[in-house]
Amino acid sequence: KAGVTQTPRYLIKTRGQQVTLSCSPISGHRSVSWYQQTPGQGLQFLFEYFSETQRNKGNFPGRFSGRQFSNSRSEMNVSTLELGDSALYLCASSRDRGLGTEAFFGQGTRLTVV
Amino acid sequence: KQEVTQIPAALSVPEGENLVLNCSFTDSAIYNLQWFRQDPGKGLTSLLLIQSSQREQTSGRLNASLDKSSGRSTLYIAASQPGDSATYLCAVSWAGNNRKLIWGLGTSLAVNP
Repeated sequence: KAGVTQTPRYLIKTRGQQVTLSCSPISGHRSVSWYQQTPGQGLQFLFEYFSETQRNKGNFPGRFSGRQFSNSRSEMNVSTLELGDSALYLCASSRDRGLGTEAFFGQGTRLTVV
Repeated sequence: KQEVTQIPAALSVPEGENLVLNCSFTDSAIYNLQWFRQDPGKGLTSLLLIQSSQREQTSGRLNASLDKSSGRSTLYIAASQPGDSATYLCAVSWAGNNRKLIWGLGTSLAVNP
């Protein structure tokens, strides 16, 4: 079956712009989590969505937001981009929110802010 | 504060060697621990998932162990190959963090032919 699909793979944006990233989870998976990966900070949790509701949120400013649709696809939006937002954004798909559920990741979207 | 640490940060070995990657975590009350592999510029590939009730998991040449009391997990790679070259990441899920994953910074492995 198809894996987690993230689009686009690469993006270049200018400071102050906004950007929307998309994630399609594995078919049948209802939980989608987003992570930011930078060389200095490693992977940091942004938020988790399940059944179209945000269930968990990391320590990021309000410029970072997301949503989930009824088909479990999720989008992440970053407004008023800053240079420090340049990173690899990864989406993880899980079957549900049960204890010990395995997470599967997409290839990521590499965002460069200039 | 719940943290995950991976040592060493980088490792270079000749092909064929058996090797061990280490992951340590604060707070032994974990839900599970996952090992991932990341190739340069790519996403993450799940290697092994160990539930809190398990002591180890095996997949092919990979074996991951979990010792909650000491806050440690090890990933053992047998008979390493150049194709094993990648960054290996350890991620832990705790009850107090509502299941979100906390990550180590990874071990960058180079297996030389």
